[in-house]
Amino acid sequence: GEDVEQSLFLSVREGDSSVINCTYTDSSSTYLYWYKQEPGAGLQLLTYIFSNMDMKQDQRLTVLLNKKDKHLSLRIADTQTGDSAIYFCAEVYNNNDMRFGAGTRLTVKP
Amino acid sequence: NAGVTQTPKFRILKIGQSMTLQCTQDMNHNYMYWYRQDPGMGLKLIYYSVGAGITDKGEVPNGYNVSRSTTEDFPLRLELAAPSQTSVYFCASSWQGAGTEAFFGQGTRLTVV
Repeated sequence: GEDVEQSLFLSVREGDSSVINCTYTDSSSTYLYWYKQEPGAGLQLLTYIFSNMDMKQDQRLTVLLNKKDKHLSLRIADTQTGDSAIYFCAEVYNNNDMRFGAGTRLTVKP
Repeated sequence: NAGVTQTPKFRILKIGQSMTLQCTQDMNHNYMYWYRQDPGMGLKLIYYSVGAGITDKGEVPNGYNVSRSTTEDFPLRLELAAPSQTSVYFCASSWQGAGTEAFFGQGTRLTVV
């Protein structure tokens, strides 16, 4: 299909790891992004990965890319209540546009 | 730094009314974008601009118009509001195209009744 797909909801306990999954559409995408949207705010870039990489780690965040399956994941270690937000996966599908998933609402319970 | 500023934050329109959503950025970015976000859906690109005087259609341009007379401003115009345009609208900007980080405004929640 032509949609970037994500599950809509994820709930974890504080201190656990969170894994948010995404399936994208364009095998030629050069960049894949994770954006975070906190309540009442616009999207903010959280991290990104180049298509020639399998993994990227940035402090508590780990991004895994499986190009064969067009699957992207975001792992948040030691999830905190401040991580509660909506997380959007996005791919570049032409030079001037990004295709976004519907967003995964992460709820962190104390 | 203000970043990307959108106004208004909320608006209720009647069917057939018109309005302009304002967007301004102070980062001297070349590229600007308008997206809409419907419940349970990803952001859809309405229009974008690669520089002052240049605009182009995105995925869902019908019912909207834009202009880009300056680098800073990229207003989105709805001429004849319809219930299908009820959505949250986001303006964004980036230095270059989609391969560079996009900065988003806080969004405008529009309801057409």
